[in-house]
Amino acid sequence: GQQLNQSPQSMFIQEGEDVSMNCTSSSIFNTWLWYKQDPGEGPVLLIALYKAGELTSNGRLTAQFGITRKDSFLNISASIPSDVGIYFCAGQPKLYYTDKLIFGTGTRLQVFP
Amino acid sequence: SAVISQKPSRDICQRGTSLTIQCQVDSQVTMMFWYRQQPGQSLTLIATANQGSEATYESGFVIDKFPISRPNLTFSTLTVSNMSPEDSSIYLCSVGGYRGTDTQYFGPGTRLTVL
Repeated sequence: GQQLNQSPQSMFIQEGEDVSMNCTSSSIFNTWLWYKQDPGEGPVLLIALYKAGELTSNGRLTAQFGITRKDSFLNISASIPSDVGIYFCAGQPKLYYTDKLIFGTGTRLQVFP
Repeated sequence: SAVISQKPSRDICQRGTSLTIQCQVDSQVTMMFWYRQQPGQSLTLIATANQGSEATYESGFVIDKFPISRPNLTFSTLTVSNMSPEDSSIYLCSVGGYRGTDTQYFGPGTRLTVL
């Protein structure tokens, strides 16, 4: 099935560093979501974006909905060990919850003390 | 966020058998979806579970292989039929329209290994 291009594929950083990852698509999305998945768990929603250009924060996390509607970015500031996991972007071609999600390929984050 | 449970949480099955996975949410929801996550991969939508009608399958997934039921607004099942080792994956349900929210929440997943 269709997937979004997400980069980087993996990151190895030291505690306290900032992290940036992004997601791009060849087609337009009306909603962008960012999830985190821990081993053995389902994805947990971090941030939802509904409007082009929107910048939204959730604690140390900040995400942006690209102006072109074809990309999104997630930043994590001052990383801590519990940030370890796999981060997925997801896009919805239509608005709101009634539409399927198309997932990115994931970014695996490792944080070293 | 939504409280979603899946049963079983994991299972090891023999080739040729079938397994039914249950998904239960703690409040009525508009939409329920089933996703597959193959080892080390991202999530791919299998189908949308429709209450009172047949599920809507994505390209590459068929009803004979993945029959789905949704008898009410809080419960759905996914059956993986005539399993082969290639079906070894994590199967996740998600819900949309939970208590008026605009996004999808995921269950903990069912880890399936087929020998």
